[in-house]
Amino acid sequence: ETGVTQTPRHLVMGMTNKKSLKCEQHLGHNAMYWYKQSAKKPLELMFVYSLEERVENNSVPSRFSPECPNSSHLFLHLHTLQPEDSALYLCASSQGPRLAGGVGTDTQYFGPGTRLTVL
Amino acid sequence: QKEVEQNSGPLSVPEGAIASLNCTYSDRGSQSFFWYRQYSGKSPELIMSIYSNGDKEDGRFTAQLNKASQYVSLLIRDSQPSDSATYLCAVTNTDKLIFGTGTRLQVFP
Repeated sequence: ETGVTQTPRHLVMGMTNKKSLKCEQHLGHNAMYWYKQSAKKPLELMFVYSLEERVENNSVPSRFSPECPNSSHLFLHLHTLQPEDSALYLCASSQGPRLAGGVGTDTQYFGPGTRLTVL
Repeated sequence: QKEVEQNSGPLSVPEGAIASLNCTYSDRGSQSFFWYRQYSGKSPELIMSIYSNGDKEDGRFTAQLNKASQYVSLLIRDSQPSDSATYLCAVTNTDKLIFGTGTRLQVFP
C-alpha cells in the first residue's frame, strides 16, 4: 500500500448519471493529482492541486469537475459522461515541488485507481 | 513527436537474464526521470528515480541516464517471472510528470 486510497475501485454508470470518485492520502503530502489511463495510451494528467489550489487543468471537458476540500482529500465529480470516458482513473499525491526542494525531488505515489465503465 | 517514447513490446526474456528497457524524451530541459512498474489491473508503483547522468543501482535494478542523448534506461538483473509487468518511463517537465506508453516485459521460466 502506498498510503493513497481510492473509492470506489470499480464503477459502472450510464451517460446520464452523476457520480463522484474519492481519493485520500495519508502521507502528509501537499499536492494531489488526477490521471486518466486508457488502453494503449500514456497516462494523461487531468488536474493538479497544490496546497488545495488548482494549479493545472489540462483542457479536460467540463463533465469532469475536481474538488479538493483539504490537502488529504480529492474528488472527481462526473456527470453526463461519454462511453469514451471509460478508463482507469488514478489519483496520486506528492510532497509538492516547492516544499521538496525543487522539481527534481518530487515523487508521485499512486492510489489503486477506479476502473470506470460508461454505458 | 511524442514527448516520452518507449517501445511497447512485449520484451520477452528468460528467467535469470538481464532485461533492458529503454526510453527517450524530447525536452532537453527535463530534470527528473522515473521508472514505474505497473502490473495488469493495478496502479503504477515507483521503482527508481534518477536525476543526474550515470548509473544508479538499487538491488537488481539499475537506472542509466544520458542527458546528452536524451536517453534513460532500466536494467533488471536476474529477471524473475514476478518482474513481468508494464514498465512506465516518466520525465519531469517543469512541474508536470510526462509518461511514456510503457514497455511490457515478459519473463518466462
